[in-house]
Amino acid sequence: DAKTTQPTSMDCAEGRAANLPCNHSTISGNEYVYWYRQIHSQGPQYIIHGLKNNETNEMASLIITEDRKSSTLILPHATLRDTAVYYCIVRVETGANNLFFGTGTRLTVIP
Amino acid sequence: DSGVTQTPKHLITATGQRVTLRCSPRSGDLSVYWYQQSLDQGLQFLIQYYNGEERAKGNILERFSAQQFPDLHSELNLSSLELGDSALYFCASSVGTGPIRGRNEQFFGPGTRLTVL
Repeated sequence: DAKTTQPTSMDCAEGRAANLPCNHSTISGNEYVYWYRQIHSQGPQYIIHGLKNNETNEMASLIITEDRKSSTLILPHATLRDTAVYYCIVRVETGANNLFFGTGTRLTVIP
Repeated sequence: DSGVTQTPKHLITATGQRVTLRCSPRSGDLSVYWYQQSLDQGLQFLIQYYNGEERAKGNILERFSAQQFPDLHSELNLSSLELGDSALYFCASSVGTGPIRGRNEQFFGPGTRLTVL
């Protein structure tokens, strides 16, 4: 699975959009981008995933660049409950399903 | 609530002892995964079972073993415990095991916090 690079930490004001970047310059054509988050020692929570098209669900939007070498997770209206560590994971969709978590981005939403 | 349950929530034991952690996957999920999260190692994949059979192995020590039962619940057995085994242990489940496109999101339980004294 391709390696990802994320900023160590970010702050976001409550009510504003939180944009979390992820670089995956070595991504292969059959690798998907997954996002999970972990709120203070709770079990990680699946957020969204995509291949090359932008995706949106009730939690977030995922924007993947045309060359697929980077992506951005967008939380449109951050709340204090969105404070968490966000993990960007790149993996083959039809390969082994175990997840390799890196260090992630610690997002702090500030009131 | 992810639908994945883990027991116990907390476990305190001594070095050299053996413990068993239990996980019940979401209804309908056939795959169970175990992860370890310690302060210095982050979240690490240990092992995966699919419908009772071992499917993938990660950084699991020989002192650790797991199994998945016919009712699909899983147990992680940790033996000859050392101080360094203190960690959060998470179980996750998914519908598929990898080959099913689009059905591989993993849903995590609340974890078991193991403290070895």
